[in-house]
Amino acid sequence: DAGITQSPRHKVTETGTPVTLRCHQTENHRYMYWYRQDPGHGLRLIHYSYGVKDTDKGEVSDGYSVSRSKTEDFLLTLESATSSQTSVYFCAISEGLSTDTQYFGPGTRLTVL
Amino acid sequence: AQKITQTQPGMFVQEKEAVTLDCTYDTSDQSYGLFWYKQPSSGEMIFLIYQGSYDEQNATEGRYSLNFQKARKSANLVISASQLGDSAMYFCAMRRFGTASKLTFGTGTRLQVTL
Repeated sequence: DAGITQSPRHKVTETGTPVTLRCHQTENHRYMYWYRQDPGHGLRLIHYSYGVKDTDKGEVSDGYSVSRSKTEDFLLTLESATSSQTSVYFCAISEGLSTDTQYFGPGTRLTVL
Repeated sequence: AQKITQTQPGMFVQEKEAVTLDCTYDTSDQSYGLFWYKQPSSGEMIFLIYQGSYDEQNATEGRYSLNFQKARKSANLVISASQLGDSAMYFCAMRRFGTASKLTFGTGTRLQVTL
């Protein structure tokens, strides 16, 4: 199994508060991704990173920011959480080869009240 | 734009029987990969099998095989000899070849294996 951890695994917060989710990998993979999973939508890409300090937006990036100061860590921040951001968040990693597979972390369940 | 369609929200299969989970896709890309992931009730996403658009042979991984019909744009997952532990959500996904290319997921099929 790919060495990917996410923290926290569960979080309940209130509308308007900032929230940071962390993804940590031990595989030294170049690419890291944040997805959210909602009923009826499968998984959708929020942001991704192709190297330290190199990030780009996905299809549902509004309200989220990311940072990657080290190869092994990719942070997802909700600057001011809203109820629509209640979801399960998955981190994924890949080597960055053209045909490679993305491997997922265990997920973080976030509830915004 | 890419789109994945999984038309079976739920499926039942008896233990030891084979089951096919349907997946059709839409893309204008010539080079792409197709993936299946399993999500058990515990929530993690587990990679099962991969098929490249240029692969002539259908992919197989143990009890999993991917029935790839390029002209029909379908990539069905076949699970042989179902086990109780196969009960889970199954997601079909695709990405075009190229670095940092995102996965596009279908909405999933929930498989229940019965005795």
